Amino acid sequence: IAGITQAPTSQILAAGRRMTLRCTQDMRHNAMYWYRQDLGLGLRLIHYSNTAGTTGKGEVPDGYSVSRANTDDFPLTLASAVPSQTSVYFCASSVRQTGYEQYFGPGTRLTVT
Amino acid sequence: AQTVTQSQPEMSVQEAETVTLSCTYDTSESNYYLFWYKQPPSRQMILVIRQEAYKQQNATENRFSVNFQKAAKSFSLKISDSQLGDTAMYFCAFMNQISNFGNEKLTFGTGTRLTIIP
Repeated sequence: IAGITQAPTSQILAAGRRMTLRCTQDMRHNAMYWYRQDLGLGLRLIHYSNTAGTTGKGEVPDGYSVSRANTDDFPLTLASAVPSQTSVYFCASSVRQTGYEQYFGPGTRLTVT
Repeated sequence: AQTVTQSQPEMSVQEAETVTLSCTYDTSESNYYLFWYKQPPSRQMILVIRQEAYKQQNATENRFSVNFQKAAKSFSLKISDSQLGDTAMYFCAFMNQISNFGNEKLTFGTGTRLTIIP
């Protein structure tokens, strides 16, 4: 692994189903983030984590939850998916030593039907 | 709350020409960071260039440079000698000065879709 990986690459999900998007980084970055990208809206922050064991809410947290059990993994869970959660989801990480540059994963395209 | 505005949803330019993408932002902070990210059709987000607000000198990275006007809250990206590989969505992003590491959230603009014409 080099950088950030996300799984799955894409997913079609029935409304009401539970779904966990996976994110793993191997750069030992302290901070991790989840964004959603929607046409005409850019990227918006869903949740973030300063370090393992801590999480915080971003701009659009409703309907999503996260956990940070260790440094490398930062899963995003949709407890009961709704069509408005159809989006492309990006995971990112950063560390102070690189000037706070955020490194992004390849994204997950999620379609809720 | 900070806002970032990109007023050009789409732009196109001939290969080898120079193009400038506009970005304005609103903040009451004096220290912050500004970024331009590129998103090609592969969907990968790639950092193009970064500017620290306390630095008066405009950042440059090879063919990419910025015009940072702090008083006007403007942060435009200039691409010189444009290449076909520059075709992508470009996002301007703002980050507050880091007071508590991990809270350095990025606020993105809505993006400009740039097409380089052969």
